[in-house]
Amino acid sequence: GENVEQHPSTLSVQEGDSAVIKCTYSDSASNYFPWYKQELGKRPQLIIDIRSNVGEKKDQRIAVTLNKTAKHFSLHITETQPEDSAVYFCAATLGSSGYSTLTFGKGTMLLVSP
Amino acid sequence: GAVVSQHPSWVICKSGTSVKIECRSLDFQATTMFWYRQFPKQSLMLMATSNEGSKATYEQGVEKDKFLINHASLTLSTLTVTSAHPEDSSFYICSASSVSGNTIYFGEGSWLTVV
Repeated sequence: GENVEQHPSTLSVQEGDSAVIKCTYSDSASNYFPWYKQELGKRPQLIIDIRSNVGEKKDQRIAVTLNKTAKHFSLHITETQPEDSAVYFCAATLGSSGYSTLTFGKGTMLLVSP
Repeated sequence: GAVVSQHPSWVICKSGTSVKIECRSLDFQATTMFWYRQFPKQSLMLMATSNEGSKATYEQGVEKDKFLINHASLTLSTLTVTSAHPEDSSFYICSASSVSGNTIYFGEGSWLTVV
């Protein structure tokens, strides 16, 4: 089955700095890669996703890049703010249907200091 | 966007009793729902895939007789933790995707504490 590795496990940055979280996946058939932000005790919130036919996607301060050859994808947050502090999870799934199960990385705890 | 509702949001039960958690898709039909468990400071671990009208598919290491899943309609899946023990205390969360799209929506999650 799919295996997703996520690094780093914790990341501390100063407000205004950029943050980068990296994930690798094992199954070359995976073609949908969402990123979730989870605050303590709350549901994961989808913040951005990318499909395998795209190499990069950007939404305001958040961007995701995908390298299918190397089987890795990254989340980039620019101009970080204290409210960006949370746990971020990457995930990968097989197939184009939402029926496919998500395999999550172990998560990255991001702390943005004022 | 699509909404998935989960109930209860938290529950405390005595060891040996059973607890039922509901997951509802409020404005779309979900033929497939997923149940996850999340221990503190850990990632979401898939427990089982719930299919409407058929038996759930359990992940390796998850006891199907302990974690009963019922998906009787296109908008409701339930997870029953039977004979709960303190080690079952965790954050349980469901997700679902709509038939038309391939975005996955999560419920609010349910905190289970077994005392």
